[in-house]
Amino acid sequence: EAQVTQNPRYLITVTGKKLTVTCSQNMNHEYMSWYRQDPGLGLRQIYYSMNVEVTDKGDVPEGYKVSRKEKRNFPLILESPSPNQTSLYFCASSFYGATEAFFGQGTRLTVV
Amino acid sequence: AQSVSQHNHHVILSEAASLELGCNYSYGGTVNLFWYVQYPGQHLQLLLKYFSGDPLVKGIKGFEAEFIKSKFSFNLRKPSVQWSDTAEYFCAVNARNRDDKIIFGKGTRLHILP
Repeated sequence: EAQVTQNPRYLITVTGKKLTVTCSQNMNHEYMSWYRQDPGLGLRQIYYSMNVEVTDKGDVPEGYKVSRKEKRNFPLILESPSPNQTSLYFCASSFYGATEAFFGQGTRLTVV
Repeated sequence: AQSVSQHNHHVILSEAASLELGCNYSYGGTVNLFWYVQYPGQHLQLLLKYFSGDPLVKGIKGFEAEFIKSKFSFNLRKPSVQWSDTAEYFCAVNARNRDDKIIFGKGTRLHILP
C-alpha cells in the first residue's frame, strides 16, 4: 500500500531535549517536505527536499533541521525544542513538488 | 510572492444545503491548483486537482471546483452536503515553471449540522 509513515504519532517532551520525528515513503517520490499546522495559520512549510542530499528551507525553518540521505526517508530534527514548537507536524511526498502530495498521519508534538 | 486566500474560516451548514468555499491566489502565471480535505483527527487527502483543460473539475464525494483564470479563483462546491463532510478544507496552489513549492491557504473549517 502506498503510504507516508511518520513516527511517533504523539510526543511530549521537555524544553531543550533533542528529538527526531521520522518520515518514510514507499512510492519512490523525489520530493518530500515537512509542514507544521497551527490553529488559524493553516499549513506552513518547514523544509523540503527535491532529491537525495538536496534540502532547502521553507517558510518557517528556524529551530529545525532535516536530512535526506536516502530517497525514502526525510527525518525532522529539533536540536533544542522550545514550547513555541508545540504543533501538529505533517510529512508529505510527491513525484515533484507540483503534483499531488501524499501526507503522513501527523505527529502531535508538545514541548513543556 | 505567491499567496492563497480562503475567505471563510468557519462555515456552518445544515445537511442538504449547498456549499461553496472560496479560494483566491496571487500569481499571474500558469498554476496547478488543489483542494485537500482533513477529516477530524486525520491527515490531509486530495479532494481534486486542476492542471489544465476543462476548468470545471470533478473530485471525490461529489465535490467539484471551477478555475476562473480572470478572477484568480478556484472555488470548491458541492450541491448537497452531508454530515460526513464535516472537515477542514485547504486550497493549495503551485506556480508552475517557477518552483516546486505548493502554497496552502489557512483552511476553512466546515461543520455540518445533522
